[in-house]
Amino acid sequence: DAKTTQPNSMESNEEEPVHLPCNHSTISGTDYIHWYRQLPSQGPEYVIHGLTSNVNNRMASLAIAEDRKSSTLILHRATLRDAAVYYCILRDYAGTYKYIFGTGTRLKVLA
Amino acid sequence: KAGVTQTPRYLIKTRGQQVTLSCSPISGHRSVSWYQQTPGQGLQFLFEYFSETQRNKGNFPGRFSGRQFSNSRSEMNVSTLELGDSALYLCASSTAGTDNEKLFFGSGTQLSVL
Repeated sequence: DAKTTQPNSMESNEEEPVHLPCNHSTISGTDYIHWYRQLPSQGPEYVIHGLTSNVNNRMASLAIAEDRKSSTLILHRATLRDAAVYYCILRDYAGTYKYIFGTGTRLKVLA
Repeated sequence: KAGVTQTPRYLIKTRGQQVTLSCSPISGHRSVSWYQQTPGQGLQFLFEYFSETQRNKGNFPGRFSGRQFSNSRSEMNVSTLELGDSALYLCASSTAGTDNEKLFFGSGTQLSVL
């Protein structure tokens, strides 16, 4: 199975940038890299996704390594509302497609 | 548009019973996928349905099953419940379930097995 590896937790000060890394060394050429975040007592929420090129949206930026074996989610100015568990996800084909969630990174934002 | 709706929000069952959980996707979405979330195992993919057909399946025993109706609403069923089935069950919907789409998640059903 394709796997993703993320640090268990990270801390950031409010209004500072945050770089959340994800390793996915077994990614296949057609796998999109997705990021979701989950706030307490809620289902995951879409953040951003990409294939090869870096991507930007109003929430974040996604930087994808040239060999695609790693990616970094960038929150440009962390706020207290960004405190959540961030998941890096691939879709893996092993007979049938399935989504592989990593263990996630718990982001703590300090006021 | 209304979001993804999961019912019930909480459920308590005893070992050996069976349970059915419901998921109503966003209007126009034809793909519904299900996930199990536990503190020990994290988020694990159960299965995905598209146009009433199971298209993808994760590594769960046959006690876990599901179906999708013609209006895209989906149900999942767990038979012969075990203590280890206690978890948050999440469903997500998307237009066609392709790799280049966002998933929209519901708030989940918290199942406790006693």
